[in-house]
Amino acid sequence: GEDVEQSLFLSVREGDSSVINCTYTDSSSTYLYWYKQEPGAGLQLLTYIFSNMDMKQDQRLTVLLNKKDKHLSLRIADTQTGDSAIYFCAVSYSSASKIIFGSGTRLSIRP
Amino acid sequence: DTGVSQDPRHKITKRGQNVTFRCDPISEHNRLYWYRQTLGQGPEFLTYFQNEAQLEKSRLLSDRFSAERPKGSFSTLEIQRTEQGDSAMYLCASSFVNLISTDTQYFGPGTRLTVL
Repeated sequence: GEDVEQSLFLSVREGDSSVINCTYTDSSSTYLYWYKQEPGAGLQLLTYIFSNMDMKQDQRLTVLLNKKDKHLSLRIADTQTGDSAIYFCAVSYSSASKIIFGSGTRLSIRP
Repeated sequence: DTGVSQDPRHKITKRGQNVTFRCDPISEHNRLYWYRQTLGQGPEFLTYFQNEAQLEKSRLLSDRFSAERPKGSFSTLEIQRTEQGDSAMYLCASSFVNLISTDTQYFGPGTRLTVL
């Protein structure tokens, strides 16, 4: 089945850019998502990209998709303390509605 | 608040008891999903509904689990004879899908179940 992999931790200095990486195994993935989860809270949809796109930018967020390498990344510009959270990469398919999630990357911000 | 709501937010029960959770999706969303999230992991798909119809169930959904969406609006997830391994966060999500829209799922805050 589909597998989505992410590194577990990322630490960045406040004001720097954060780049969270994700790899997936099934090239038929149609939609690719980034969700944010703060402690004790549900998942907040940050952004998503269709598999026929290479890049999507939304304010401080930039998503890059490399279909050849099955690699998805999320760049957060000017990282702030409020960005501290767990970020989940997720994929779904046009033929199925369930979302397959990675294990999440915990982003911590250093002053 | 027009987001997905779940009730209760927390549930502590003893092993062997039955529990029921409720999810109210975003108004007019026709799809409703249940996921389970254990500590340190991403959510895992359990089941989903399109309107009243339950269209897919994960192998994770044992016979002790049952979900309903009787009128195509709110949904309930019941766990019978709870086991300690059922302790997790149960997340509900909803989306609106038609021929031209994407299946973008919006999540509720979750119900945290602790089985003693």
